[in-house]
Amino acid sequence: LAKTTQPISMDSYEGQEVNITCSHNNIATNDYITWYQQFPSQGPRFIIQGYKTKVTNEVASLFIPADRKSSTLSLPRVSLSDTAVYYCLVGAFKAAGNKLTFGGGTRVLVKP
Amino acid sequence: DTGVSQNPRHKITKRGQNVTFRCDPISEHNRLYWYRQTLGQGPEFLTYFQNEAQLEKSRLLSDRFSAERPKGSFSTLEIQRTEQGDSAMYLCASSLAAGVGEQYFGPGTRLTVT
Repeated sequence: LAKTTQPISMDSYEGQEVNITCSHNNIATNDYITWYQQFPSQGPRFIIQGYKTKVTNEVASLFIPADRKSSTLSLPRVSLSDTAVYYCLVGAFKAAGNKLTFGGGTRVLVKP
Repeated sequence: DTGVSQNPRHKITKRGQNVTFRCDPISEHNRLYWYRQTLGQGPEFLTYFQNEAQLEKSRLLSDRFSAERPKGSFSTLEIQRTEQGDSAMYLCASSLAAGVGEQYFGPGTRLTVT
């Protein structure tokens, strides 16, 4: 599975947009990019997944440039409850039996 | 609630004791996964099942660990002769076999070995 690099932590304020960039220089043709969110003492929760260009759902947007060597998770107008760890995962999940490989994640702290 | 459930939520045990955790996945999900997470780290894959068949085990899963999913529904993870290094959060997740990267995680069982 492709190795990912993302910032260890980020601070933001309520109402701001938070953008977390993940680098995955060795991404393979069959790899998808997936983001999970984890609150303290809870299991991770799937946020969004994409292959190329832009994907948007009710929670976030995912921007993937043409070379796919990085991706940016965008959280619009964050609130205190968005304080969590965000994980970027890259892999051809079907081929890997849907096994997920997590890195260290980005700890996002939203301040009032 | 039809999410993934895990029991117990917390377990404190003495070194050398055996412990067993249970996971009940979302009912229509064929695949069930176990992960382990230590403080400040992301979850690490341990093993997964498709229905009742255990298809892959991580090298992290020593001989003291065993997992079962006897009827393709709930699963158990047993740790024999626990060690302090086994202290962690044990997470269970499930997914549809055709899913791509989307797994549904339970709340985890936090194990403390004293």
